Amino acid sequence: DTGVSQDPRHKITKRGQNVTFRCDPISEHNRLYWYRQTLGQGPEFLTYFQNEAQLEKSRLLSDRFSAERPKGSFSTLEIQRTEQGDSAMYLCASSSDRIGQYFGPGTRLTVT
Amino acid sequence: AQSVAQPEDQVKVAEGNPLTVKCTYSVSGNPYLFWYVQYPNRGLQFLLKYITGDNLVKGSYGFEAEFNKSQTSFHLKKPSALVSDSALYFCAVRDAGRNYGQNFVFGPGTRLSVLP
Repeated sequence: DTGVSQDPRHKITKRGQNVTFRCDPISEHNRLYWYRQTLGQGPEFLTYFQNEAQLEKSRLLSDRFSAERPKGSFSTLEIQRTEQGDSAMYLCASSSDRIGQYFGPGTRLTVT
Repeated sequence: AQSVAQPEDQVKVAEGNPLTVKCTYSVSGNPYLFWYVQYPNRGLQFLLKYITGDNLVKGSYGFEAEFNKSQTSFHLKKPSALVSDSALYFCAVRDAGRNYGQNFVFGPGTRLSVLP
């Protein structure tokens, strides 16, 4: 499968724990995006990479959130000291141009 | 700032009937417009996009959308609905003159139910 992949697909964690999600974009895509989606809502932008450079961060991305794309290929999104309000679907997307994005299946986070 | 409205939370149609899912947008410059579909517990799947050219855009699974600049609309249509089309549909817009990231904005989604 040459699409965007995300791991894990589901994560249940206790409040206060740290979690890390991984995204593997389509191999030739140099742009990578992270979104958060809560039930019944559209995706909300979190952050954007072009190659290894993090070019944009949303105000939604608090200090507890950090994202990396160390070699310009896969990316990780870490949430420290999780809160119940962090429960959501975390979506990754990639693109090769400035026009269209292709999304992964998402990681559903549940904080208990 | 860009914004997208999908005025209907839910659309119900009978199988075989035509369907329309509405989208209106607001951007300061020229729009790039997109439709995505989301099935339960899945990511978003790209359906179609309008960048420039013909106002009628054809996409995946028999869907099409019409760009109307004067009405700032980009409604999604299909001549004959299938039960398998039942899903959540998102319209998205980006100002063509601005970078990606925060300038790519999604609407709240419309749940389409196709009744057998």
